[in-house]
Amino acid sequence: KQEVTQIPAALSVPEGENLVLNCSFTDSAIYNLQWFRQDPGKGLTSLLLIQSSQREQTSGRLNASLDKSSGRSTLYIAASQPGDSATYLCAVGGSQGNLIFGKGTKLSVKP
Amino acid sequence: DTEVTQTPKHLVMGMTNKKSLKCEQHMGHRAMYWYKQKAKKPPELMFVYSYEKLSINESVPSRFSPECPNSSLLNLHLHALQPEDSALYLCASSPTGGTEAFFGQGTRLTVV
Repeated sequence: KQEVTQIPAALSVPEGENLVLNCSFTDSAIYNLQWFRQDPGKGLTSLLLIQSSQREQTSGRLNASLDKSSGRSTLYIAASQPGDSATYLCAVGGSQGNLIFGKGTKLSVKP
Repeated sequence: DTEVTQTPKHLVMGMTNKKSLKCEQHMGHRAMYWYKQKAKKPPELMFVYSYEKLSINESVPSRFSPECPNSSLLNLHLHALQPEDSALYLCASSPTGGTEAFFGQGTRLTVV
């Protein structure tokens, strides 16, 4: 059974720092991997999707990498801002679009 | 436009009530999903619809009944729920299975 783990569970950084969030999964037979952000009590906002054949994707200050063989992905956030404060969720996807989520990393960026 | 709209935003229902949650998207996506998220937990998949047909049911109790009347609309019919079913119910859609998923803002359900 696929298990997704995110480390750290929580992270507090001063504004302007670059940071890395980690995601690992036990079964490398994934179709894709998606990173989301969730604000308290809200839905999920898609940040980046990496297909299983890809190594990385970039969007603005965000860069996500995927090493399928080792079962790892990282989300790099450059020059963090207080508005980046949220919970970041990693999810591995199957061919039918079914997502299995990690428990998330709660990020706090302090001014 | 990457919007998935869920109604209502909040719902309080008794254990003997029947209610429905609605999800709508106009992006032409052919895969739609229901997820359940308990407090301080990650979302968990309930159902997957592909081209209006149910393709995955994650052993969800029959008191939850999904329906996909057309390619833009997904409903979740609720009856005889228990207090432990209280959660945030999230709908998502994607162009097809295995592509980028977009989520709605969720329906906060409280069963009393």
